[in-house]
Amino acid sequence: GAVVSQHPSRVICKSGTSVKIECRSLDFQATTMFWYRQFPKQSLMLMATSNEGSKATYEQGVEKDKFLINHASLTLSTLTVTSAHPEDSSFYICSAYALGGNNSPLHFGNGTRLTVT
Amino acid sequence: TQLLEQSPQFLSIQEGENLTVYCNSSSVFSSLQWYRQEPGEGPVLLVTVVTGGEVKKLKRLTFQFGDARKDSSLHITAAQPGDTGLYLCAGARVSGSARQLTFGSGTQLTVLP
Repeated sequence: GAVVSQHPSRVICKSGTSVKIECRSLDFQATTMFWYRQFPKQSLMLMATSNEGSKATYEQGVEKDKFLINHASLTLSTLTVTSAHPEDSSFYICSAYALGGNNSPLHFGNGTRLTVT
Repeated sequence: TQLLEQSPQFLSIQEGENLTVYCNSSSVFSSLQWYRQEPGEGPVLLVTVVTGGEVKKLKRLTFQFGDARKDSSLHITAAQPGDTGLYLCAGARVSGSARQLTFGSGTQLTVLP
């Protein structure tokens, strides 16, 4: 079945540094990927829609200069948290649709736990 | 503002009990999906409902989509400890050329042995 791989699964970084998270579709091509953020025991909040070969679309309130998204190929999207601060500590999850059609399922990566110290 | 409200937010029950989780919105969705998520992992799709009034069953789980496609429910019969997890409903809408999912506020279920 369709698999979305995220790397790394956990990362700890110091305040002020940047962290890159990768999201790969392993056995399908994804022109669109989605990045979500999730705080403990809360739901997923959509941060941005990553579009292959074009600029990402950010949700209201998400700083595009802080959360840099690059979707350079049909199987890879990256999210870079720049100048990370402790309040950026969260669980970041990516997802992609495996097939076309209006009701195909969204496949999720296993998430990246970011801790900023 | 959460577009999809789930209730209850937290639920702790004994093994063998039945439960229902509700997902309500003022918006109409083209489809609605239910996911289950365990700590430290991504959500896993349980079911997709598309037609107003649709009912789908998955073993002990029964999913219903409201007639107006604005709400849904998940009923679990004879809950087991393995059912413990965060249950999320998600409504699908088309935004530009992309189909987006809006997630509900989530229901944390704990089934005690």
